[in-house]
Amino acid sequence: EVQLVQSGAEERKPGESLKISCKGPPYSFTSSWIGWVRQRPGRGLEWMGVIYPGDSDTRYSPSFQGQVTISADKSISTAYLQWSSLKTSDTAIYYCARSISVGGVAWYFDLWGRGTLVNVSS
Amino acid sequence: SYELTQAPSESVSPGQTARITCSGDALPKQFAYWYQHKPGQAPVLVIYKDRERPSGIPERFSGSSSGTTVTLSISGVQAEDEADYYCQSADSSGDYVVFGGGTKLTVL
Repeated sequence: EVQLVQSGAEERKPGESLKISCKGPPYSFTSSWIGWVRQRPGRGLEWMGVIYPGDSDTRYSPSFQGQVTISADKSISTAYLQWSSLKTSDTAIYYCARSISVGGVAWYFDLWGRGTLVNVSS
Repeated sequence: SYELTQAPSESVSPGQTARITCSGDALPKQFAYWYQHKPGQAPVLVIYKDRERPSGIPERFSGSSSGTTVTLSISGVQAEDEADYYCQSADSSGDYVVFGGGTKLTVL
């Protein structure tokens, strides 16, 4: 069964940095986009951005541009979501998802990880 | 910024048909997608490209589109269908992904 395996829950203080990961199947990782989606407590899904690990082409939602960094290491089939200085408002579940591009534009998500809970509290 | 609008909640009795709508100005131009999300689980794609059903998704799930509104229908609703349902599409240029606010489906 194809899976995206996400790293475990994290606890951080405001101002700290963090990098969470999402590992996919090696045979398709470099030919698929991987996206990140946020869900704050009691809120809906928010698209953060996507990366194509094959060439590291990365696109960000305007809402998250400059707030996070999406990267990937195709040698180990892993995508990352990174913060340099966390805020309490970053407390959320973060999902990675295999992202299918339709007609070269836009994406949808056909396979999701189970999510990584990030709790930022002083 | 572009938005997709969903009703916050819907309720339906078992065996009835649930219809969840999503409205957005770019929907005539961009495909819509639907996800089922249960607490503590990963979201699941239930409809893609307006009306296509992924393998493994029960036939009672269907999608339709009319102008600026897309609809997810669940016929013969079962207790296990109780979940949050999100529509997703893109802005008119296709540069950005957008999710609707989600509809909580309650099976009475």
